[in-house]
Amino acid sequence: GAVVSQHPSRVICKSGTSVKIECRSLDFQATTMFWYRQFPKQSLMLMATSNEGSKATYEQGVEKDKFLINHASLTLSTLTVTSAHPEDSSFYICSAKQDGGETQYFGPGTRLLVL
Amino acid sequence: GQQLNQSPQSMFIQEGEDVSMNCTSSSIFNTWLWYKQDPGEGPVLLIALYKAGELTSNGRLTAQFGITRKDSFLNISASIPSDVGIYFCAGPEAAGNKLTFGGGTRVLVKP
Repeated sequence: GAVVSQHPSRVICKSGTSVKIECRSLDFQATTMFWYRQFPKQSLMLMATSNEGSKATYEQGVEKDKFLINHASLTLSTLTVTSAHPEDSSFYICSAKQDGGETQYFGPGTRLLVL
Repeated sequence: GQQLNQSPQSMFIQEGEDVSMNCTSSSIFNTWLWYKQDPGEGPVLLIALYKAGELTSNGRLTAQFGITRKDSFLNISASIPSDVGIYFCAGPEAAGNKLTFGGGTRVLVKP
């Protein structure tokens, strides 16, 4: 149980384009999902908290207009990197928290390379 | 915000060895989580600790939640090559749902 999937697993795009990443909780409902970014040899950095049916909460320094988050259902959250630039290249990981629990279950990550 | 200090930052293991890593905090956590991350993958939950003093095992892994609620350790017994990876401790912040992560312990195999 508690499986989280992400799609795509890796994506290469041109500078200036937008990229959408999906995060799904496969066997549980998740009112709350989280989006992290991880640079090489570093720990996970929380970007935003995604709440089903309401606006996402962004961490300080994360541009909400650049990283659009939509949590349209209890099992799906999407992160759209708009007008991507090479410095946005990173490993993006989502996690989902089971309703009523504290443990977060992570997706397998999406590696984004912006050329 | 709350911070978790993890040590060592990296370690080399030889097959069959027992290894240990720990995590300390200046503030109290009510839940302590240990994750492992393989290269190119997301973190996978290894052990969750919910009570001060709790000692929990998962196969060759053993973790304990410190009695003061400010520290935890993770032990791996009889290590095998697939134990390599990055181990993170994490705990939910006092307010809200966010997790605070330690800096990670990178486990590598001795050449």
